[in-house]
Amino acid sequence: KNEVEQSPQNLTAQEGEFITINCSYSVGISALHWLQQHPGGGIVSLFMLSSGKKKHGRLIATINIQEKHSSLHITASHPRDSAVYICAVHRGSQGNLIFGKGTKLSVKP
Amino acid sequence: ETGVTQTPRHLVMGMTNKKSLKCEQHLGHNAMYWYKQSAKKPLELMFVYNFKEQTENNSVPSRFSPECPNSSHLFLHLHTLQPEDSALYLCASSRSTSREGTQYFGPGTRLTVL
Repeated sequence: KNEVEQSPQNLTAQEGEFITINCSYSVGISALHWLQQHPGGGIVSLFMLSSGKKKHGRLIATINIQEKHSSLHITASHPRDSAVYICAVHRGSQGNLIFGKGTKLSVKP
Repeated sequence: ETGVTQTPRHLVMGMTNKKSLKCEQHLGHNAMYWYKQSAKKPLELMFVYNFKEQTENNSVPSRFSPECPNSSHLFLHLHTLQPEDSALYLCASSRSTSREGTQYFGPGTRLTVL
């Protein structure tokens, strides 16, 4: 069993829908990242969280440290949001990340 | 534009070949990383360099040999690879290896070993 689990593995949505991607982890962490990987491979860091909630444009990330759970929400989804979304956690004070397998999102027009 | 470049973007090599992957960051960062991404598996950390010193070798086979001549450049030397080594190899950099250091990723090198 992976230390970082994401659900769902695949998600298809219609343009405009509200989307939620979940991440659960089983280890103690100091921070959690949400990353976006577009076809072709490039990865972009979306959020780094250690508590609470962060918002950037149509993206919202929340984390519940007690429940070891984080969610990434996309409001008013658009086809350009189609990508793989990856959750990753820092186990300690160093920068080594443990990654989930990713959630492949496809937004249809 | 992430400021992290990787060359080549695609590489096909035979099992007896020797090749090198190159990563360069233009962000003034001190830490650099190599990751491997295989199909249907999570990203796996391979090596970490902090101020040109290797601080992590995640049980990587010796057929992968990293080199970090300065904080801006990172190489991954490949020799006698196996077909199962075919994957996307991603380089990343960060200001430091502490948890506050957001990692910036390059576009990756898609490696195919025949």
